[in-house]
Amino acid sequence: NAGVTQTPKFRILKIGQSMTLQCAQDMNHNYMYWYRQDPGMGLKLIYYSVGAGITDKGEVPNGYNVSRSTTEDFPLRLELAAPSQTSVYFCASSDRGLNNEQFFGPGTRLTVL
Amino acid sequence: GENVEQHPSTLSVQEGDSAVIKCTYSDSASNYFPWYKQELGKRPQLIIDIRSNVGEKKDQRIAVTLNKTAKHFSLHITETQPEDSAVYFCAAKEGSTLGRLYFGRGTQLTVWP
Repeated sequence: NAGVTQTPKFRILKIGQSMTLQCAQDMNHNYMYWYRQDPGMGLKLIYYSVGAGITDKGEVPNGYNVSRSTTEDFPLRLELAAPSQTSVYFCASSDRGLNNEQFFGPGTRLTVL
Repeated sequence: GENVEQHPSTLSVQEGDSAVIKCTYSDSASNYFPWYKQELGKRPQLIIDIRSNVGEKKDQRIAVTLNKTAKHFSLHITETQPEDSAVYFCAAKEGSTLGRLYFGRGTQLTVWP
């Protein structure tokens, strides 16, 4: 199993550009999450999904959008990138059952200039 | 939503000493408390977790304690080694079926040889 994969690993955007961060998991997990990690700030939940076709906002959703058309994929869309979106983005997934461990992808480092 | 506070933000210990990291949470219905370790440039990885029906859990040199009345939980690392150096995050799962985790800001642990 590849676990949780993310692409790209690094990206530089100009202010106002858009992009999609890709996330995929092959563990058949129903729950998927997007976090951003800023220095000294821990992980903040952007959006999450409890299954295909179902998404909801987390703590910091402004400036982002998600979709979940399949169990495996959970892309994060940035529209009109701003310098405040410079961060490391982690995708994660978890099982719906008693085992609540979240498995993280390797992260995408995004810089908006 | 849940609010998780973590202290200290940095911790330096000598190899072989013990390290303790403390977290508090606000949602009395929270029922799952994981700890993640993140090495520099890597993804967070679960090292231990505890559920609300258990007061203490140990795994070799790592232990976690939970006090539900006081709404705090702690990570204890004994006989620290240089490879324990990393950022440690506590988290609390909100007390609903949604499964959202709220993370503390992290503790940078440095173990000096």
